[in-house]
Amino acid sequence: KAGVTQTPRYLIKTRGQQVTLSCSPISGHRSVSWYQQTPGQGLQFLFEYFSETQRNKGNFPGRFSGRQFSNSRSEMNVSTLELGDSALYLCASSSTGQAHYEQYFGPGTRLTVT
Amino acid sequence: AQSVTQLGSHVSVSEGALVLLRCNYSSSVPPYLFWYVQYPNQGLQLLLKYTSAATLVKGINGFEAEFKKSETSFHLTKPSAHMSDAAEYFCAVSQLYNFNKFYFGSGTKLNVKP
Repeated sequence: KAGVTQTPRYLIKTRGQQVTLSCSPISGHRSVSWYQQTPGQGLQFLFEYFSETQRNKGNFPGRFSGRQFSNSRSEMNVSTLELGDSALYLCASSSTGQAHYEQYFGPGTRLTVT
Repeated sequence: AQSVTQLGSHVSVSEGALVLLRCNYSSSVPPYLFWYVQYPNQGLQLLLKYTSAATLVKGINGFEAEFKKSETSFHLTKPSAHMSDAAEYFCAVSQLYNFNKFYFGSGTKLNVKP
């Protein structure tokens, strides 16, 4: 089975711009979660989608949003980029979306905001 | 509320020596616990998980962890370190009905000396 794929792998944007990141989960997985990883804050949960519905959300401003499509692919969008948004954004998929099921992570998208 | 504390941001061991990475959690309800490993420029890979079955959990690559409720700990061990074990390790906690909202520790970078 193919793993979780994320595109693009690297991205450079300017402050004030917006960006969209894409995640394709493992085939058959219906849950997709997004995390932000930075050296200072570590891994922080952004949100989770299951069957096109956002079920859980972390403590991030409204500039961070996401959605999930009927084929379980997910996108996250960050509007009005700030320097502090520079991070590795990781997507993870899970089969059932239950807490005791492991999440499978993609390689991440490295976003640099200048 | 949930949280994870990983003692020691950097651990250095000699090849062939015991690896011990510490993880303590805080959870108001029985937790699900996970250890992930991250190699440079890659996503996270699951090493093992605890989901209220056996307290001693065996994972991939010779790693294991023991859930100790009285100590709220879930330390990761490996009897004999290999050079390929050099990576960053993350402990994570989740709860039933929390729909894949994992709380991660700050990570421990393991260095293996020849």
